[in-house]
Amino acid sequence: GQQLNQSPQSMFIQEGEDVSMNCTSSSIFNTWLWYKQDPGEGPVLLIALYKAGELTSNGRLTAQFGTTRKDSFLNISASIPSDVGIYFCAGQSTNAGNMLTFGGGTRLMVKP
Amino acid sequence: KAGVTQTPRYLIKTRGQQVTLSCSPISGHRSVSWYQQTPGQGLQFLFEYFSETQRNKGNFPGRFSGRQFSNSRSEMNVSTLELGDSALYLCASSYGHADGEQYFGPGTRLTVT
Repeated sequence: GQQLNQSPQSMFIQEGEDVSMNCTSSSIFNTWLWYKQDPGEGPVLLIALYKAGELTSNGRLTAQFGTTRKDSFLNISASIPSDVGIYFCAGQSTNAGNMLTFGGGTRLMVKP
Repeated sequence: KAGVTQTPRYLIKTRGQQVTLSCSPISGHRSVSWYQQTPGQGLQFLFEYFSETQRNKGNFPGRFSGRQFSNSRSEMNVSTLELGDSALYLCASSYGHADGEQYFGPGTRLTVT
């Protein structure tokens, strides 16, 4: 099935560093979502974006809806050990109902 | 407010058997979507139910089916299990159809031997 291109696939960073990841697509999406998944659990919604150019924050997390509507970015500032996990972007088109198309995930590892 | 619940959490089945998984959405949510997660294919959309009607279906064989009850609870069924059906099955609920914000349950880990 179609997937979004999410990069990087993995990151190993030092505690306190900032993190950036992004998703790109050949298709336009009306909504972009960012999720975090811990081992053995379901994805947890972090941020939802509904408008091109929108910038939204949730604590140390900031995400942006690209102006072309084909990409989105997630930044994590001052990373801490509990940020470890897999981050997924997901796009939704209104004409596809509630079907989400997911990126391949970014595995984040934080060294204390 | 309680989150999305899924039962069972773990399941082991044999090839050729069938399985039924259950999902209870967040109270007030009327849409339930199902996803399959595997290491090779990632998260893949199976189908969405809203108001007891299937509204959208992903690219999966007819062995995968589902239904939704009047209380919005949903079940998915996989018949004639194959080894490749081993996966984490996730359900997500949202308030409406084409809602955007979907909240996931913990998943059911299905192993087919």
